[in-house]
Amino acid sequence: AQSVTQLGSHVSVSEGALVLLRCNYSSSVPPYLFWYVQYPNQGLQLLLKYTSAATLVKGINGFEAEFKKSETSFHLTKPSAHMSDAAEYFCAVIKGTSYDKVIFGPGTSLSVIP
Amino acid sequence: DAGITQSPRHKVTETGTPVTLRCHQTENHRYMYWYRQDPGHGLRLIHYSYGVKDTDKGEVSDGYSVSRSKTEDFLLTLESATSSQTSVYFCATVGTLHNEQFFGPGTRLTVL
Repeated sequence: AQSVTQLGSHVSVSEGALVLLRCNYSSSVPPYLFWYVQYPNQGLQLLLKYTSAATLVKGINGFEAEFKKSETSFHLTKPSAHMSDAAEYFCAVIKGTSYDKVIFGPGTSLSVIP
Repeated sequence: DAGITQSPRHKVTETGTPVTLRCHQTENHRYMYWYRQDPGHGLRLIHYSYGVKDTDKGEVSDGYSVSRSKTEDFLLTLESATSSQTSVYFCATVGTLHNEQFFGPGTRLTVL
């Protein structure tokens, strides 16, 4: 069965430090992969997506993620954290065009310390 | 932004009462979804729709029903609300490219 794991339900970084949020998926075929961000009291919005065009994907707000098939990973990074990055981050996977097979990870809450 | 609105945004109700949540979209997207969000569980799919009057169950559909009589509206009904249905409910649609989802602002439902 398809699943998504996010290591660390809470991550704290200092302002200006590297942000690394981990996502691993289980899939027998190359999936579509997404990172979403949720700010307090808001819905989710797309940060970036992998669709097999390139393994290194750049998203909004300086975030990027690298698809590594051998590790079944899609970790999210940002070189320098900003206070405004504090939010909940969700990794999601879709297998092919199965719209009913959107699987979200449990989420990682990112705190940024001044 | 897919122009998704949800109503109401907040609701408090009592156990055993029926509740209907509304999702409205302006982008003419074919697919629409209802999720619930609970701490430690991420988002879990309740029901989804792939067209007018075409709906199917998600992983946590028990106690919920949906209807879609128009492309732009997707209703979620709790026939008899229970305390376990206290949650934040999100509606979403799918864009036309690479299955990207667009989310509404959410409805916070409390069942006492």
